[in-house]
Amino acid sequence: QSALTQPPSASGSPGQSVTISCTGSSGDVGGYNYVSWYQQYPGKAPKVMIYEVSKRPSGVPDRFSGSKSGNTASLTVSGLQAEDEADYYCGSYAGSNNYVFGSGTKVTVL
Amino acid sequence: EVQLVESGGGLVEPGGSLRLSCAASGFDFTGAWMTWVRQAPGKGLEWVGRIKAKTSGETTDYAAPVNGRFTISRDDSKNTLYLQMNSLKSEDTAVYYCTWYYYSYLDVWGKGTTVTVSS
Repeated sequence: QSALTQPPSASGSPGQSVTISCTGSSGDVGGYNYVSWYQQYPGKAPKVMIYEVSKRPSGVPDRFSGSKSGNTASLTVSGLQAEDEADYYCGSYAGSNNYVFGSGTKVTVL
Repeated sequence: EVQLVESGGGLVEPGGSLRLSCAASGFDFTGAWMTWVRQAPGKGLEWVGRIKAKTSGETTDYAAPVNGRFTISRDDSKNTLYLQMNSLKSEDTAVYYCTWYYYSYLDVWGKGTTVTVSS
């Protein structure tokens, strides 16, 4: 199972929006509404920010939103804040009881 | 408080074995599907495998790179998840995270334990 494709980096100024893409195939992202997004700070464990494409766990700011079109999912962070600077990974159920992560995107707040 | 605490990491020579443990608390471990995820130094997340709850057959599935070498098991009486790693290779060097696979996503993560495979 190959990793889902994400851009290595993304950036924006405070208050702006940044969107990260996550491209897979019909066997994972495109085939199921089971895409999730994880935020990871250096040296820390990941934390789920979005699940089932667009749902936010309690406690996650509504500045974070998710969507999907075909084989590509997206995470948008609106109103960027300094604390949003982190690595972001998408993840998807990949059928046959497998799970696959994206390659990761480093978000920089300028 | 929901918590997962991994232990058992360390330095092991290529070809050796190691068993990781993950102690769970604060949720119904018996009914939970659990997974292991790893992260090599400076690299991204990699799904290692998953074990279902006993009520779902306690079946296991593994990523291709570890299939046949790693075994996931659980002891519900101790609220503990295990990862038995055999025939270790240098490419298995990583931080290993225990996670709660909640329906379709990884809801709770431990802080991880570091495994280094080197001579």
